[in-house]
Amino acid sequence: GAVVSQHPSRVICKSGTSVKIECRSLDFQATTMFWYRQFPKQSLMLMATSNEGSKATYEQGVEKDKFLINHASLTLSTLTVTSAHPEDSSFYICSAKLPLAGEVDEQFFGPGTRLTVL
Amino acid sequence: GQNIDQPTEMTATEGAIVQINCTYQTSGFNGLFWYQQHAGEAPTFLSYNVLDGLEEKGRFSSFLSRSKGYSYLLLKELQMKDSASYLCAVLDSNYQLIWGAGTKLIIKP
Repeated sequence: GAVVSQHPSRVICKSGTSVKIECRSLDFQATTMFWYRQFPKQSLMLMATSNEGSKATYEQGVEKDKFLINHASLTLSTLTVTSAHPEDSSFYICSAKLPLAGEVDEQFFGPGTRLTVL
Repeated sequence: GQNIDQPTEMTATEGAIVQINCTYQTSGFNGLFWYQQHAGEAPTFLSYNVLDGLEEKGRFSSFLSRSKGYSYLLLKELQMKDSASYLCAVLDSNYQLIWGAGTKLIIKP
């Protein structure tokens, strides 16, 4: 099946620094990628929809100036958490949409990135 | 508003069968997904239903009734490795996934 990778898998940073997380579709081209955040014992929360070559669409309540998304190619989307604070500590998961001929698109998930802000 | 309900936690015995229910109220419907998520890992795809009925895939089966806004995931011959959270997600009219909070399944020997 389709493979999506994320890098890094874990990151620990100091408060006030910026962290970049990469999401790659390894064996298919994804015009649309999604960024999710998961809090403990809660469902995945969609943060933004990333479309190749255009600006990301952010969900209500997500600060676009704090969570910068760049989808520069059909296989790479990046999420940059700017000026990270301890409350940004979370599990960030990306997914890529794989178009299926004649059917609805299917999403494939990356392995996630665990961010810890000290 | 959009709402997806599934039980918070279920316990079952190794070798047995368990049914995890999911009810939904969404703006439009373009299919329902079930995902498995082990602690600390990203979700993995289990099944996709868009038409009414039962889809069987090995030990796992998924059922959908669009008129009732209801689905279930059936796991047979439970194994210890099936201990995980099971997420129900609906694709709404905008083709956005709406997620349930997940059902934590605990398998006991």
